[in-house]
Amino acid sequence: DIQMTQSPSSLSASVGDRVTITCRASESISTSLNWYQQKPGKAPKLLIYAASSVQSDVPSRFSGSGSGTDFTLTISGLHPEDFAVYYCQHSYGSPPFTFGPGTKVEIK
Amino acid sequence: QVQLVQSGAEVKRPGASVKVSCKASGYTLNEYGITWVRQAPGQGLEWLGWISAYSGHSNSAHKFHDRVTMTADTATSTGYLELRSLRFDDTAVYFCARSGPHLTTATLAHYWGQGTLVAVSS
Repeated sequence: DIQMTQSPSSLSASVGDRVTITCRASESISTSLNWYQQKPGKAPKLLIYAASSVQSDVPSRFSGSGSGTDFTLTISGLHPEDFAVYYCQHSYGSPPFTFGPGTKVEIK
Repeated sequence: QVQLVQSGAEVKRPGASVKVSCKASGYTLNEYGITWVRQAPGQGLEWLGWISAYSGHSNSAHKFHDRVTMTADTATSTGYLELRSLRFDDTAVYFCARSGPHLTTATLAHYWGQGTLVAVSS
């Protein structure tokens, strides 16, 4: 099975900061990578698919990049509503489509 | 509008089975798939499996392969997840989500249910 790791596990940032979260796959997954946002007590929300395609209802400050084994999610200018946990998930080949352990973005 | 409404919380004994339902509305179930994800208290997301209501094809994570059954009833627009031989570490919130009808789109979960808490307790 493909394993996913994320770094950092948590970070503190201020409104307006630029934030970058890294996700790494245990083997090459091309661009088969999704990013989800989850707020406390809520279901996850799909932000980005295919590594860099932003969902239609997601603000343009969210962007994704990467291919192969290394990927990044960037939030260019944190808004108060962006404080949440972010998960990557691979969608390459056969299941299981594993999630990363998550990155918690907290208010500094 | 697209909605997924899940069944209510369950408390089960170890060794029992649980069946969680996911009622879909606002779209045609057999044009999509249903993905199941769970989240243990204070933990991250765990992918359980996916079923295509379009083809009937399903895949589940290896660790659940012999304990989980996913079905999709197109007549009632409802998906089901059954988990057998429950253990304490199955305690989690179980989510369903609308995803694509093919394996290549199985992870594109745009719409989610509200989650169902399954607690395994003696």
